[in-house]
This record gives sequence, C-alpha cells and structure tokens, in this order.
Amino acid sequence: QQQVKQSPQSLIVQKGGISIINCAYENTAFDYFPWYQQFPGKGPALLIAIRPDVSEKKEGRFTISFNKSAKQFSLHIMDSQPGDSATYFCAASIASGTYKYIFGTGTRLKVLA
Amino acid sequence: EAQVTQNPRYLITVTGKKLTVTCSQNMNHEYMSWYRQDPGLGLRQIYYSMNVEVTDKGDVPEGYKVSRKEKRNFPLILESPSPNQTSLYFCASSSGQLDIGYTFGSGTRLTVV
Repeated sequence: QQQVKQSPQSLIVQKGGISIINCAYENTAFDYFPWYQQFPGKGPALLIAIRPDVSEKKEGRFTISFNKSAKQFSLHIMDSQPGDSATYFCAASIASGTYKYIFGTGTRLKVLA
Repeated sequence: EAQVTQNPRYLITVTGKKLTVTCSQNMNHEYMSWYRQDPGLGLRQIYYSMNVEVTDKGDVPEGYKVSRKEKRNFPLILESPSPNQTSLYFCASSSGQLDIGYTFGSGTRLTVV
C-alpha cells in the first residue's frame, strides 16, 4: 500500500548522542526516499535522500541506512546537537513518476544541551 | 531569493465561507503541491500539479480545489470550509531534480470555527 510508517513519534537525546529514526514502507515501486527537517514555524526542507541502489548515504553527521529486502530505511544523526532539535519526516516516492511524495507521520527530536 | 510564498500566514474563518490560500514560486518549477500537516498524521498531500493546467488529486482532496493557470501560481480553494479543515497548510514546488527536492513555503495556519 501507500503508507510510510515512521517511529518513534518523539525522541529525546543528550548532546553528542546518536539519534535514530526509522521508517518502513510497503509499496515496492517506491525508489526514492528523502528525509525532511522542519524547524518550528518553518516549512520542511530536504535534509538527505537515498535511492535503493545503495545501502547507505552519508552527509556530514547525517546518514541514511537502507534495507531493501526489509523495506526499511533509517536516519542516523551522529554527535547530535541542540540545533538539530526539529521534526523529521521520512518520505517515499516513485522518482520517475508524478513526483508525488508519501510522508511519514514525523518524529519530534529534542537534543538536550 | 528563490522561494515559495504563501498568503495569508494565519487565517481564522467561519464554516461555509469560501476562501483562497495563494501560493507563488519564483523558481520556474514545473511541479507544485499542497500539503496539510496535522499532529500525529504528518504531511498529507491534497493536490499536486505537474505543469500548467495539469493537476491531480493527492491523498486527501475532499473539500479542496486547485487551479494552475500560470506556472508560478497554484492557489488552494476551500469552497465551503468546515472545522475538520482546520490545519497547517504548506505549498511546495520542485523542478523534478531529486537532489534538490521540494521547496516548501512557510505555511498557512487555518482555523475554521
């Protein structure tokens, strides 16, 4: 089906710790998996994205891990900082299609100083 | 500055009074989309457009209308708003480049009483 299930709903991490957010999908036609970051009062902004031809993508402290067989992907934030406190949304899409995204329900991350 | 501009930012209206939320982008993007954001439900797509005069329903289109007469504008119309349409609305646009993703507006918080 079209759902993308995201967990946890909220997450509290100490400064310097690792934040992990997980997503799962069912539609095997999805082939593009972006993560968006949203600060209070702002619209979401693209953080990092992955295609299923790779199992991991890293950009700075942010890493996406992708498990095609399990239909799961996750966001890892290494050395989490208070400035990372935001809501994170995973999404799935068919890259060559209508550019329609299915978003997860969001994870509110709070990093304690 | 490249941006998606939504107006108004805040709106309180009464049930049944037609309203329009405007959205304009200055990036010459082909793709535009409207989302609503509700606690615990994440971002849900209302309508999207792949080009001028080409629109299609998203996941929650009931009670909404859109039009795309010009490439830069994609207004969201609520013909007869109801309280269950109280939400935070985002307009977004994209060129289709996956590494850039969608650019979101700052949101419109709508309250229907």
